[in-house]
Amino acid sequence: NAGVTQTPKFRILKIGQSMTLQCAQDMNHNYMYWYRQDPGMGLKLIYYSVGAGITDKGEVPNGYNVSRSTTEDFPLRLELAAPSQTSVYFCASSSATPYEQYFGPGTRLTVT
Amino acid sequence: GESVGLHLPTLSVQEGDNSIINCAYSNSASDYFIWYKQESGKGPQFIIDIRSNMDKRQGQRVTVLLNKTVKHLSLQIAATQPGDSAVYFCAENTGGYSTLTFGKGTMLLVSP
Repeated sequence: NAGVTQTPKFRILKIGQSMTLQCAQDMNHNYMYWYRQDPGMGLKLIYYSVGAGITDKGEVPNGYNVSRSTTEDFPLRLELAAPSQTSVYFCASSSATPYEQYFGPGTRLTVT
Repeated sequence: GESVGLHLPTLSVQEGDNSIINCAYSNSASDYFIWYKQESGKGPQFIIDIRSNMDKRQGQRVTVLLNKTVKHLSLQIAATQPGDSAVYFCAENTGGYSTLTFGKGTMLLVSP
């Protein structure tokens, strides 16, 4: 099993550009999550999904959108990138609730 | 604001010592707690978890203690090794669809 995979690993965006961060898991987990981690800080939940077709906002959803058309994939869309979105983004999944979440390796995004 | 926080931002120990990392939480309704280890440039890795109906749980070289009276969680690492050097996060689940709230993290530095 590859577990949770994320692409790209690194990305530099200009202000106002858009991009999609990809996340996939091969563990057949129903629950998937997107977090951001700013330097020296813990993880903040952006969006989460409890199954295909169901998503909900986390603590810091502004400026982001998600979709969940399959169990495996949970892409995160950034529209009109801003410097405040410079961060490391982690995707995670879990089989049940509440239960341990498995994290991907992260995407480091810089907006200039 | 965050309901999970840590007392010590950095903990330096000698190899072979026992390490204790502390975490305070403020939500008495939290029923699930989890510790993650994050090495530089990587995603968080699960260490151990505990549910609110337990006071103590042991894993391999790690023990988590939960004191619900004072809303305190600790992670004990026995015979700390240089490979244990990382940032350690505690997180709590306050209900709902397994949405974890993370603390800021403690850096553990292990000297040979």
